Amino acid sequence: GAVVSQHPSRVICKSGTSVKIECRSLDFQATTMFWYRQFPKQSLMLMATSNEGSKATYEQGVEKDKFLINHASLTLSTLTVTSAHPEDSSFYICSALSDRGGRDTQYFGPGTRLTVL
Amino acid sequence: AQSVAQPEDQVNVAEGNPLTVKCTYSVSGNPYLFWYVQYPNRGLQFLLKYITGDNLVKGSYGFEAEFNKSQTSFHLKKPSALVSDSALYFCAVRDRWDSGNTPLVFGKGTRLSVIA
Repeated sequence: GAVVSQHPSRVICKSGTSVKIECRSLDFQATTMFWYRQFPKQSLMLMATSNEGSKATYEQGVEKDKFLINHASLTLSTLTVTSAHPEDSSFYICSALSDRGGRDTQYFGPGTRLTVL
Repeated sequence: AQSVAQPEDQVNVAEGNPLTVKCTYSVSGNPYLFWYVQYPNRGLQFLLKYITGDNLVKGSYGFEAEFNKSQTSFHLKKPSALVSDSALYFCAVRDRWDSGNTPLVFGKGTRLSVIA
């Protein structure tokens, strides 16, 4: 299947700093990527839809100035958590739409665990 | 709006026994249905999907799921469970008539524990 990577897999930062998470589609091009957030023992909550070359579409309640998304190429989308606070600690997962197996299939990265001290 | 219900938070099954993880859905049109599995501290792995055609869909690791339109269900099954199947399972749906950029809507997940 299609491969999606995320970097870093784990990050610990101080409150007030910014953290950038990268999501890459390794063996396919993805015009659309999604960013999810998962709290412990809970389902995935969609944060935003990232389209290559255009502005991201954010879900209701997600602060676009706090969670900056840049989809600069067909294989890379980045999520930057600005001025991170402890309540931003979570597991962030990206997903990319692939034509393999039909464009309706989302392939997921391994996730990034963010801990804000 | 689409929605997915996974009525069981936890399913326990003995190794070698058949397993079923339940999922029901709601869409305004016809559904695209998916199952994903998540191991601890990992992302989601695609298991199988139903788009159209045969109601019984076979996927990875010996899993299968049956689409039942009248009951709006898409239960995940496996004839003989393995301890290594223990994980968190997510059912997801998208309306077939939505654009290709529409993200999946996920259920809350069901934790499967297979006991040796």
